[in-house]
Amino acid sequence: EVQLVESGGGLVQPGGSLRLSCAASGFIFSTYDMHWVRQATGEGLEWVSYIGTMGDTHYSGSVKGRFTISRENAENSLYLQMNSLTAGDTAVYYCARARPGIGGERWYFDYWGQGTLVTVSS
Amino acid sequence: DIQMTQSPSSLSASVGDRVTITCRASQGISTYLAWFQQKPGKAPESLIHAASSLQSGVPSKFSGSGSGTDFTLTISSLQPEDFATYYCQQYNTFPYTFGQGTKLEIK
Repeated sequence: EVQLVESGGGLVQPGGSLRLSCAASGFIFSTYDMHWVRQATGEGLEWVSYIGTMGDTHYSGSVKGRFTISRENAENSLYLQMNSLTAGDTAVYYCARARPGIGGERWYFDYWGQGTLVTVSS
Repeated sequence: DIQMTQSPSSLSASVGDRVTITCRASQGISTYLAWFQQKPGKAPESLIHAASSLQSGVPSKFSGSGSGTDFTLTISSLQPEDFATYYCQQYNTFPYTFGQGTKLEIK
């Protein structure tokens, strides 16, 4: 059974840092792309970041230069290092797995974790 | 960035009804379009990818169509468990983007 379990959320002051983790199980982690998506309370979904199987990365404009996505395949873990946090980063953060479509193009989301709440406030 | 616009933003329907939600992309995305369902307090769940392909385990009452810029999600024979918020997402180009969501409520 595929499982994604996020952790590391909590209360942090503006300008502070936090590192989120996503523990993966039930599949060969190293062979899947991974993403982070966030959702502010009462708001919609916002894509945050991506890391491919080869370690290539992409970020949304709102977090680029402040957040760093990484993975440790030996530990079946995905990470999101968040620096220079602002109130606008307050949200539930989800990790999601992506698998390849037909022909291996454009990997799509299939499984999501349950999320971890990050609150940025003084 | 590609903007995804869903309509309507909210929808009231009755058990047994058939409903359609529309998603429009600001530029062509081929069929790299996914749909997700989210219930209050829960993580999103993947329903459809490639515009019309059902995720494993998703009932056939859900169907998707479209290509290019215009897409639809249709849910037939609504049941109480189908009342939720639905999101479309384009995964053609980074940054991936979601629609604003459609809240499906019981009439």
